[in-house]
Amino acid sequence: GAVVSQHPSRVICKSGTSVKIECRSLDFQATTMFWYRQFPKQSLMLMATSNEGSKATYEQGVEKDKFLINHASLTLSTLTVTSAHPEDSSFYICSARDHNYGYTFGSGTRLTVV
Amino acid sequence: AQTVTQSQPEMSVQEAETVTLSCTYDTSESNYYLFWYKQPPSRQMILVIRQEAYKQQNATENRFSVNFQKAAKSFSLKISDSQLGDTAMYFCAHTGTASKLTFGTGTRLQVTL
Repeated sequence: GAVVSQHPSRVICKSGTSVKIECRSLDFQATTMFWYRQFPKQSLMLMATSNEGSKATYEQGVEKDKFLINHASLTLSTLTVTSAHPEDSSFYICSARDHNYGYTFGSGTRLTVV
Repeated sequence: AQTVTQSQPEMSVQEAETVTLSCTYDTSESNYYLFWYKQPPSRQMILVIRQEAYKQQNATENRFSVNFQKAAKSFSLKISDSQLGDTAMYFCAHTGTASKLTFGTGTRLQVTL
């Protein structure tokens, strides 16, 4: 089946620094990828839709300058959290739409900003 | 706007018993997909079952089946012969032509001995 690899699984960074999270589709081409944020014991909140070769579409209330998304190839999308603050600490999950019109998820990244 | 509602924050079922998780949704689109995802403690999202709105027949996957009532916009998940490994958060989700998934708030299922 379709596999999406997400790295890193855990990252701790200092306040004010930037962190990059990668999401790769391993055995299929993903023209569209999605980035979610999940707080403890809550549902997934869509942050943005990443389209290969074009600008990402951000959901209302998501700061595009803080959460930079790049989808430069059909198999890779990256999320960069810029000037991270403790309130950015969360679980981030990516998803790719596969050829069977399903959605495959990465294993998630736990970001802790100290 | 699309919305998905899961009215049961927590459910408990004994091993080998059957449990049904509820989900209702609201959409103005005629062509859409519905999903149930499982999120175990590892937090990996796992597809349980998928239903195309244009198909009248309810989807089934081994012990998992759905009751899809299109007119009522209801999409419940039935888990038969519950197993300890079924313990997880279960999310109902909807997608339409915009292709982005809208998730419900989730139901935490605990399977007990």
